[in-house]
Amino acid sequence: KNQVEQSPQSLIILEGKNCTLQCNYTVSPFSNLRWYKQDTGRGPVSLTIMTFSENTKSNGRYTATLDADTKQSSLHITASQLSDSASYICVAGRGSTLGRLYFGRGTQLTVWP
Amino acid sequence: IAGITQAPTSQILAAGRRMTLRCTQDMRHNAMYWYRQDLGLGLRLIHYSNTAGTTGKGEVPDGYSVSRANTDDFPLTLASAVPSQTSVYFCASSGEGVNTGELFFGEGSRLTVL
Repeated sequence: KNQVEQSPQSLIILEGKNCTLQCNYTVSPFSNLRWYKQDTGRGPVSLTIMTFSENTKSNGRYTATLDADTKQSSLHITASQLSDSASYICVAGRGSTLGRLYFGRGTQLTVWP
Repeated sequence: IAGITQAPTSQILAAGRRMTLRCTQDMRHNAMYWYRQDLGLGLRLIHYSNTAGTTGKGEVPDGYSVSRANTDDFPLTLASAVPSQTSVYFCASSGEGVNTGELFFGEGSRLTVL
């Protein structure tokens, strides 16, 4: 079954601290792995996109890693800020160019001052 | 820079009524999508269009229809709304296929069916 599982479901950290969000996927044939940030009441915004041959990709304080062998990805947030409070969604792509995306349920991150 | 514009932002309607959610993009993207987002679930694909004049069914198409008369517009219609269609609906677009490049989302339309 093609699916994406994220952990933890929710996380609270203090401002300035680092954190890592996890994603496991069972999508096949695997094409790409994406992380999105969704602020409350807004649409998702892309953070990173990695193909199956990439291991890591950064976007400012966000660094995503991918292990296609173990079907795992992580999103590391460095020096968290209050504006990082959001839901972070992991998405796995299956198939060719016109394939399908599978969305995780998201990790709700809250950053406290 | 508008990107993707959705309307209405929110709507409450009675069960059995017809409703059209509007979506317009100004990026000249070929592909457009409609997703619904429910609490505790990941985004689920309702319908998609890879290019103007073509549409396809996604994961949860029942009760919904779409049309793609031109590149910019991709309306989603609920012919006879039911309470289970209460959700937040997101329109999205990409330059090529969904697995090729960036996927851009609108800000969503919150629909409540009573």
